[in-house]
Amino acid sequence: AQSVTQLDSHVSVSEGTPVLLRCNYSSSYSPSLFWYVQHPNKGLQLLLKYTSAATLVKGINGFEAEFKKSETSFHLTKPSAHMSDAAEYFCVVTFKGFQKLVFGTGTRLLVSP
Amino acid sequence: DADVTQTPRNRITKTGKRIMLECSQTKGHDRMYWYRQDPGLGLRLIYYSFDVKDINKGEISDGYSVSRQAQAKFSLSLESAIPNQTALYFCATSDSGGTNQPQHFGDGTRLSIL
Repeated sequence: AQSVTQLDSHVSVSEGTPVLLRCNYSSSYSPSLFWYVQHPNKGLQLLLKYTSAATLVKGINGFEAEFKKSETSFHLTKPSAHMSDAAEYFCVVTFKGFQKLVFGTGTRLLVSP
Repeated sequence: DADVTQTPRNRITKTGKRIMLECSQTKGHDRMYWYRQDPGLGLRLIYYSFDVKDINKGEISDGYSVSRQAQAKFSLSLESAIPNQTALYFCATSDSGGTNQPQHFGDGTRLSIL
């Protein structure tokens, strides 16, 4: 079965330090992968997507993610956290012919001054 | 103006009441979706529609129904609300260009069933 696992429910960083949010997926098919961000009282906003082109994907607000097929991973990174990055982040997977998205359970990013 | 608009934004109601949540979009997308979000569970798909004449159940459709009144409008109904339907509900849209198309979300409806 197709699934996606976000390895951390919470991640805490200090402002100016790197961010790493981990995501692993399982599938027998070639996936399309997305990262979304949700700020309080708002809907989900697309950060970036991977669709079988370059394995390193750059998104908005300085985030990027690397697709590693051998590790079935799509981890989200940012070199330097900003206070405004504090939010919940969702890794999302879909597969050719599957017609639906599969959401991870989310990682809450906390950024301290 | 928001591309995907959900009304109401907040609703408190009693067990057994009928409730309708509405979604309208100005993105011109064919595909529309309803999700519910519960803490620690991520988003789960309730229903989805790929065009006006197409309605499909998602993973948690029991207790819900939908209506696609037009390309731009997709409403979700709870015929007889129960407390475990208390959640944050999201409408989303996407283009019909394949499964790698991202979804665009409204700001959500916070629903409380007492």
